Amino acid sequence: QVQQQQWGAGLLKPSETLSLTCAGYGGSFSGYYWSWIRQPPGKGLEWIGEINHSGSTNYNPSLKSRVTISVDTSKNQVSLKLTSVTVADTAVYYCARGYCGADCQYYYGMDVWGQGTTVTVSS
Amino acid sequence: IVLTQSPGTLSLSPGERATLSCRASQTFSSSYLAWYQQKPGQAPRLLIYGASSRATGIPDRFSGSGSGTDFTLTISRLEPEDFVVYYCQQYGSSPRTFGQGTKVEIK
Repeated sequence: QVQQQQWGAGLLKPSETLSLTCAGYGGSFSGYYWSWIRQPPGKGLEWIGEINHSGSTNYNPSLKSRVTISVDTSKNQVSLKLTSVTVADTAVYYCARGYCGADCQYYYGMDVWGQGTTVTVSS
Repeated sequence: IVLTQSPGTLSLSPGERATLSCRASQTFSSSYLAWYQQKPGQAPRLLIYGASSRATGIPDRFSGSGSGTDFTLTISRLEPEDFVVYYCQQYGSSPRTFGQGTKVEIK
């Protein structure tokens, strides 16, 4: 069974750097897009960015100046770094596996999600 | 692309039919539209991809349709576990975006 496990610091102070890692188990790593999504308390889902197995990235412009997503294919891991966090970055952060087929002519959705990591930014 | 879901809250009874709408600010291929279900305290679960294809293990009471800017998720007969929140998502352009969600509640 394909699973994703994520971990990282859950309590940060303003101006610190958020760092989360997501590891995939039980399935192929190549050929997929790996996204990070966040959900502020009581609110909807916000797409942060994505990376494919070859390291090509795509970020949400609203966060692009502060976000870095990287991949370590030898460990089947994807990482998220968000610098200069503020209270507004308080949210549950999810990693998710997506697939869009050859030349991305079709989107198969994000079918495997991590369990979520609650990140609180507070002074 | 901005996705607007309506209604924000849908109040229905078990056994009834639910129709959830997702309207896009611009046209994109239906190949790039997905629906997710989220239960409290859990990660979202993929229901529908390509606007109308059910994901693995999803009951056939869930169906999706639509094209252009208008997409619909239909739950033919609501089961007690279906009274949660649903999100649409587009992958047709970057940034990938989600609708704000529709909550289906028990009437």
